[in-house]
Amino acid sequence: DVKVTQSSRYLVKRTGEKVFLECVQDMDHENMFWYRQDPGLGLRLIYFSYDVKMKEKGDIPEGYSVSREKKERFSLILESASTNQTSMYLCASSSQDGETQYFGPGTRLLVL
Amino acid sequence: AQKITQTQPGMFVQEKEAVTLDCTYDTSDQSYGLFWYKQPSSGEMIFLIYQGSYDEQNATEGRYSLNFQKARKSANLVISASQLGDSAMYFCAMRARYSGAGSYQLTFGKGTKLSVIP
Repeated sequence: DVKVTQSSRYLVKRTGEKVFLECVQDMDHENMFWYRQDPGLGLRLIYFSYDVKMKEKGDIPEGYSVSREKKERFSLILESASTNQTSMYLCASSSQDGETQYFGPGTRLLVL
Repeated sequence: AQKITQTQPGMFVQEKEAVTLDCTYDTSDQSYGLFWYKQPSSGEMIFLIYQGSYDEQNATEGRYSLNFQKARKSANLVISASQLGDSAMYFCAMRARYSGAGSYQLTFGKGTKLSVIP
């Protein structure tokens, strides 16, 4: 079974803090994705990566950066957290040329 | 651009009954894929079922089946014999643009909240 894990289920941070969200997959997938999910807006793609050290912007990359130093790990970084980044963050992975994305349990981030 | 529409914000179904969740899509691509995901209150998105645009048979996975009507551009999810554990948000998604190097993006609908009544 595909296993995607995220470092925290719940996170509370202060405005201006630097926030790291970690995602690890154990299926040797090439592709990894970060989404945020907000009520009424659905899932929106922030960034994705198709290889180590490679990254591509999604639909809403502003205020975020990512890092992929190892194939199994994809990190989302909020350089200076703001209240409008309070959201549910979901990580996903897929194999090369595979269409199905497998998701982690999500991180609910609250920025105060 | 691809678009997914789920017109039912919420649905109720009696336990052990079947339920259909609607999904329509819009794309100019000839080759595409359609997905359904389930999201319980815990938050994890669980992959349920996949249908390729060239698949002639409707996809089935246990109690889940996908009613694919290509001419109508619809991909409805049918859950047979509903169980209390089926209560969740359900998202329809479509394979969107190819991002290069073997990476596809997905476009998601807004979701349907299904509540199963004992």
